[in-house]
Amino acid sequence: GENVEQHPSTLSVQEGDSAVIKCTYSDSASNYFPWYKQELGKRPQLIIDIRSNVGEKKDQRIAVTLNKTAKHFSLHITETQPEDSAVYFCGLLRGYGNKLVFGAGTILRVKS
Amino acid sequence: EPEVTQTPSHQVTQMGQEVILRCVPISNHLYFYWYRQILGQKVEFLVSFYNNEISEKSEIFDDQFSVERPDGSNFTLKIRSTKLEDSAMYFCASSEGTYYPYEQYFGPGTRLTVT
Repeated sequence: GENVEQHPSTLSVQEGDSAVIKCTYSDSASNYFPWYKQELGKRPQLIIDIRSNVGEKKDQRIAVTLNKTAKHFSLHITETQPEDSAVYFCGLLRGYGNKLVFGAGTILRVKS
Repeated sequence: EPEVTQTPSHQVTQMGQEVILRCVPISNHLYFYWYRQILGQKVEFLVSFYNNEISEKSEIFDDQFSVERPDGSNFTLKIRSTKLEDSAMYFCASSEGTYYPYEQYFGPGTRLTVT
């Protein structure tokens, strides 16, 4: 079945440094990989996503890379700012399904 | 920018009582979902709904749960007889497409507390 492992569970970085969060999956039929940011008490917000026919996607300070062979995808945040502090969840969709499966989340703390 | 809305923001109920959580998905979206998040844990899929019927449901979504689209705008989740372990944040989400993985947009959530 669908399963996604997310690491690390917590990540502390200094403001201006980069942060990388990685997720691995087992189902090769997964074809859509979103990343959500959740601030305390708020809704998960989609920040970037990638489809299986693309290896990398970038949006300003945020990028996602996908390695289909190794079955992992990563979120990269450059020049981190205090407002990047939140919980980040990776997710995946399988085939034509629409059930989003989430990773366990990463608490990112950006220290100023 | 259109958003998914949910009511109420917080619901407190006694064990065994029925609750109905309400959602208004984004107006041109065709797929609707319910997810839940127990405090401090990850978001878990409950059910997806398309064309007035359930398209997929998880093991969590047992006979105590039901969903309905009573009119053209609302999407509801009913829990018939709440248990303590139903206490969680419940998120509604919607997406535009059908056969292609489309982005899912989440509502602000309803915090359900079962006492």
